[in-house]
Amino acid sequence: DTEVTQTPKHLVMGMTNKKSLKCEQHMGHRAMYWYKQKAKKPPELMFVYSYEKLSINESVPSRFSPECPNSSLLNLHLHALQPEDSALYLCASSQDVARDYEQYFGPGTRLTVT
Amino acid sequence: DQQVKQNSPSLSVQEGRISILNCDYTNSMFDYFLWYKKYPAEGPTFLISISSIKDKNEDGRFTVFLNKSAKHLSLHIVPSQPGDSAVYFCAASEGGTSYGKLTFGQGTILTVHP
Repeated sequence: DTEVTQTPKHLVMGMTNKKSLKCEQHMGHRAMYWYKQKAKKPPELMFVYSYEKLSINESVPSRFSPECPNSSLLNLHLHALQPEDSALYLCASSQDVARDYEQYFGPGTRLTVT
Repeated sequence: DQQVKQNSPSLSVQEGRISILNCDYTNSMFDYFLWYKKYPAEGPTFLISISSIKDKNEDGRFTVFLNKSAKHLSLHIVPSQPGDSAVYFCAASEGGTSYGKLTFGQGTILTVHP
């Protein structure tokens, strides 16, 4: 099983809502990532978890709150988002954070903030 | 500041011919490079990688060349097939505390015509 799953596929939320994105992998990977991708732009790293601990936060606003409850699950909690946060949110995992371990990506959650 | 650049937004190639996708980088700390392929409604899929200690890496129809002095890498696909039509992203990684962080280029849309 080389699959990373993400739910939901699509999400529309108002600026006052609280929602969560979920990511799951069962490959035994110990590193998990959140990326944000705007239209016609490359994916941009947001967070890296290594062995369930946050190791990189790319100066992401606090309205995005990541959580790694166990080695298979990664959540992204969303609160008080802005319309400019509308984007495709991609989750990825890799065996470890060492650079020669390829990252496996999920299909993403398309988020629209109204 | 775009540290990884793919200056060709699109490339069109006939089936059976060679596809050459180019990528330039500016950060001299990058020492590991990857190519990902992305189909619509799917996450990026790892294709091939190269370490800075090499100048060439080959995997089946895919070959990546690295020219460190020019800070340039390229992906060759021979022979090209219609199923190769996708967006191709170049990505780069540096070591140290940035383990796990990938910086992506903007992507090149490859279309292979039958």
